[in-house]
Amino acid sequence: AQKITQTQPGMFVQEKEAVTLDCTYDTSDPSYGLFWYKQPSSGEMIFLIYQGSYDQQNATEGRYSLNFQKARKSANLVISASQLGDSAMYFCAMREGLRGGSEKLVFGKGTKLTVNP
Amino acid sequence: DAGVIQSPRHEVTEMGQEVTLRCKPISGHDYLFWYRQTMMRGLELLIYFNNNVPIDDSGMPEDRFSAKMPNASFSTLKIQPSEPRDSAVYFCASSLGAQVSYGYTFGSGTRLTVV
Repeated sequence: AQKITQTQPGMFVQEKEAVTLDCTYDTSDPSYGLFWYKQPSSGEMIFLIYQGSYDQQNATEGRYSLNFQKARKSANLVISASQLGDSAMYFCAMREGLRGGSEKLVFGKGTKLTVNP
Repeated sequence: DAGVIQSPRHEVTEMGQEVTLRCKPISGHDYLFWYRQTMMRGLELLIYFNNNVPIDDSGMPEDRFSAKMPNASFSTLKIQPSEPRDSAVYFCASSLGAQVSYGYTFGSGTRLTVV
């Protein structure tokens, strides 16, 4: 079974608008961490934001916020005020804690975001 | 810190040749990971090390692939002999530890083309 599901292969957004990129995850481990990475066309993987399973509040980092709905097992990335430079692939990833394999970061297939001027 | 350093950035080689990819993790990071990225399969974990010891190589596609970590500051991924289907971007990443809050820091990747 897929641990991380990103159902949107591609998304389009107008510059200055907000966009939500979906991510659902599957785990029975009570302790886990969720990550979002950005991969621009240049290819590097850039860490954006982290959410822990025990965190009471949604994570925020500048224009990035994570809409964490634990009961639904979703961890959607919200980008506010989109910029042209936000055009990239975005990957959701999870690291599980207590049940073993916590060293591994498991990635979704990614969502390609295009910001239109 | 300079981050995770991979070399070369690009490699073009002929089928059958040996290819060696190199990685220098961030100093103090206990974990080192090798990933392969293709359009078809996305990001695949090939192998990872903890304190220079290989922990899980179940993602290594076949015996043509091997990886070593002779010391805490250097790792190699070798493909011998290379085949066109090995063409991909290979990432090295390192992590401070196994806690769930520790993410990975990725290198810039090596784009391998086997012709």
